[in-house]
Amino acid sequence: NAGVTQTPKFQVLKTGQSMTLQCAQDMNHNSMYWYRQDPGMGLRLIYYSASEGTTDKGEVPNGYNVSRLNKREFSLRLESAAPSQTSVYFCASSEEVAGLAGTETQYFGPGTRLLVL
Amino acid sequence: QKEVEQNSGPLSVPEGAIASLNCTYSDRGSQSFFWYRQYSGKSPELIMSIYSNGDKEDGRFTAQLNKASQYVSLLIRDSQPSDSATYLCAVEMRSNYQLIWGAGTKLIIKP
Repeated sequence: NAGVTQTPKFQVLKTGQSMTLQCAQDMNHNSMYWYRQDPGMGLRLIYYSASEGTTDKGEVPNGYNVSRLNKREFSLRLESAAPSQTSVYFCASSEEVAGLAGTETQYFGPGTRLLVL
Repeated sequence: QKEVEQNSGPLSVPEGAIASLNCTYSDRGSQSFFWYRQYSGKSPELIMSIYSNGDKEDGRFTAQLNKASQYVSLLIRDSQPSDSATYLCAVEMRSNYQLIWGAGTKLIIKP
């Protein structure tokens, strides 16, 4: 099992460019998440998906869109990148359905390092 | 006030000693608490979860939870250089069951 995979590993964008970060999990998990991690700050939730076909905003959703393509895949799109979106992006998945009692272990992908110039 | 607070460190501990990492949180209704370890340039990985007051032991790791005082701690016994990493505390918010993360404590184990 590969667990959670993310592509690309690194990306440099110019301000205003768009891109999509891809995430896939092979653990048959219901819930998937997108976080960003900035120096000196904790992981901040951008969007999550409790199940196939549903998505919800997290703490910092502005400037991002997501698609839960199927149970395995959850993509994050930056429509018009800004320097403030320079960060490390992590995708995660968990078996538990978000929004119900109890949060199970979240398993993380290797991350995407994004630099916006 | 941050919802989950950790001392950023670095915390330097001699090899073989006990490392003590602390985390405080603001949501009194939180029921689930997690410690993740993150090596430099890598993704977080779960070390322990704890849901009830008291201690929970797993090998060299012990998680301690005190809901009345709203803190959770992680003790690492017989610290090894391989324990050098950033330790992230995550707390489940009762309002929406999302995890809120502390900024992490950088731990350095000196041989």
